[in-house]
Amino acid sequence: KAGVTQTPRYLIKTRGQQVTLSCSPISGHRSVSWYQQTPGQGLQFLFEYFSETQRNKGNFPGRFSGRQFSNSRSEMNVSTLELGDSALYLCASSLREAKNIQYFGAGTRLSVL
Amino acid sequence: DAKTTQPPSMDCAEGRAANLPCNHSTISGNEYVYWYRQIHSQGPQYIIHGLKNNETNEMASLIITEDRKSSTLILPHATLRDTAVYYCIVRVANAGNMLTFGGGTRLMVKP
Repeated sequence: KAGVTQTPRYLIKTRGQQVTLSCSPISGHRSVSWYQQTPGQGLQFLFEYFSETQRNKGNFPGRFSGRQFSNSRSEMNVSTLELGDSALYLCASSLREAKNIQYFGAGTRLSVL
Repeated sequence: DAKTTQPPSMDCAEGRAANLPCNHSTISGNEYVYWYRQIHSQGPQYIIHGLKNNETNEMASLIITEDRKSSTLILPHATLRDTAVYYCIVRVANAGNMLTFGGGTRLMVKP
């Protein structure tokens, strides 16, 4: 069974631009969560989607948004990039009934110059 | 979620058991203890979880004290590939998939 796939693996953007990151969950998993990891703040929850609906949202500004498609694939978007948005963005998927047991992808490393 | 406290770093000799402690003195009766680890440059990996009984799987064992205020993750025969940051997370099971990661314990397995 294929794991969680995130694309692209690496991305370089400049301040003010926007970026879209993609996540394909494990087949059969309908819950997708996104996390941001930085050296200073550690791993922080961004948002969770289930059946195309956002169920939970972390404490991030509105520049961070996401969506989930009918096939459970998810995208997150960051608009008006700031230097502080440089981070590893991780996507995780899970079965609805296996609460808090999440399977993470390798992440997308975003560098904002 | 209950607050957890873990030592920032630990060393372990290869082949020996690694015992990683976690303090969660404010845990509620319906909160589970979850352990994840993150090997360098990879996403976190689920290891094990438990409510009150000790648990064992192919990766590790989880020992939860009777008062549930602390727990220990045991890697019975640590290998160099077990070098990682280990996170202890306490959370209810039905509140959505939003994990709160603390600082974790950086385990260094040495030859």
